[in-house]
Amino acid sequence: DAGITQSPRHKVTETGTPVTLRCHQTENHRYMYWYRQDPGHGLRLIHYSYGVKDTDKGEVSDGYSVSRSKTEDFLLTLESATSSQTSVYFCAISESGPQHFGDGTRLSIL
Amino acid sequence: AQSVSQHNHHVILSEAASLELGCNYSYGGTVNLFWYVQYPGQHLQLLLKYFSGDPLVKGIKGFEAEFIKSKFSFNLRKPSVQWSDTAEYFCAAWGYQKVTFGTGTKLQVIP
Repeated sequence: DAGITQSPRHKVTETGTPVTLRCHQTENHRYMYWYRQDPGHGLRLIHYSYGVKDTDKGEVSDGYSVSRSKTEDFLLTLESATSSQTSVYFCAISESGPQHFGDGTRLSIL
Repeated sequence: AQSVSQHNHHVILSEAASLELGCNYSYGGTVNLFWYVQYPGQHLQLLLKYFSGDPLVKGIKGFEAEFIKSKFSFNLRKPSVQWSDTAEYFCAAWGYQKVTFGTGTKLQVIP
């Protein structure tokens, strides 16, 4: 498996609190992605990065921000978490085409 | 904008039955297509990919898919399923630095 580590793996927090999820890769891949997975919706792209400090929005970016200060790290931040952001979050990396996924972060917002 | 449609949301098969899962895509340029599998509680794993060339693509675990450009389809097939194939299957299309996923098909194989 590709070297992708997501942290934390599980988190429970309260509405209105800030939350940061981390994705760390050891593959030196150019592209990194954040998805959320919800029943009936498949995977939906939140944000992606095509290089250090180069990021762009996906289809469900509202309420989320990202940062990539190093090739290996891609952070996803929920500035003020809402219950609708309860989901499983997956990070993925890619050099050209096929993506490799991390193990996911299960986030519950009460 | 590109889109991917999977028409079968839930499929139930008996072991040894043949499988075909439908996938249609909508995309204006050159498209690269993938099938991923997600076993319960796990992350997505790549089953197979199509970039160009032979439209019949063979992947891991005995799966194959056929790219039919005229029908904008990339259906996944397996001649004989096993109980261990129980999982969720996602079709995806890559273009413009992004991958678009279908909503997934849950396959349940009954022993």
